[in-house]
Amino acid sequence: GAGVSQSPSNKVTEKGKDVELRCDPISGHTALYWYRQSLGQGLEFLIYFQGNSAPDKSGLPSDRFSAERTGGSVSTLTIQRTQQEDSAVYLCASSLVLFTGELFFGEGSRLTVL
Amino acid sequence: AQSVSQHNHHVILSEAASLELGCNYSYGGTVNLFWYVQYPGQHLQLLLKYFSGDPLVKGIKGFEAEFIKSKFSFNLRKPSVQWSDTAEYFCAVFGSGGYQKVTFGTGTKLQVIP
Repeated sequence: GAGVSQSPSNKVTEKGKDVELRCDPISGHTALYWYRQSLGQGLEFLIYFQGNSAPDKSGLPSDRFSAERTGGSVSTLTIQRTQQEDSAVYLCASSLVLFTGELFFGEGSRLTVL
Repeated sequence: AQSVSQHNHHVILSEAASLELGCNYSYGGTVNLFWYVQYPGQHLQLLLKYFSGDPLVKGIKGFEAEFIKSKFSFNLRKPSVQWSDTAEYFCAVFGSGGYQKVTFGTGTKLQVIP
């Protein structure tokens, strides 16, 4: 597609439920990143993929968070047993060229945990 | 590890005023530096970038930034702001040397008053 596509754009869930957030990067972009944006916290790095592998998972806040990428394209971020502190905007970004850091962002998925 | 510090959290300016937003980073090696902008209701987008060469880089909409290696700084400037520059601005660093994470600062909200 023309840009990075994320779904859902908005998700409201109850505490304890699992959620899946999807990211479809720009075609041909090999690197894919997930960030979390909370009010007043800036962008918090979660995980990045090079192809289908995730060399750096250090940013995942807990073992309730996991992510995968298949076919070198679409990625899914899964949050199990959601907590209220998981409420945030989850941003996905992709990058064409490795080792530059120039990112193209999606619109984000706003997650609200009640 | 790498880190980014943005000194101003909220800046209010009148139209035509000059702008300078501070950004300092911490990383021991070669870096790529970025400013990203998020206009109200829109996704994050690249404003300008520095990879190498001339330390004064120019971006879109009249913005520029200067890389001062000795000060580990990459401040953003614009001689005369417009109401349409109202947005949140994020400084980011990408350190070479195998550490593929792009680290963002906490952001500066700029409000331009007509």
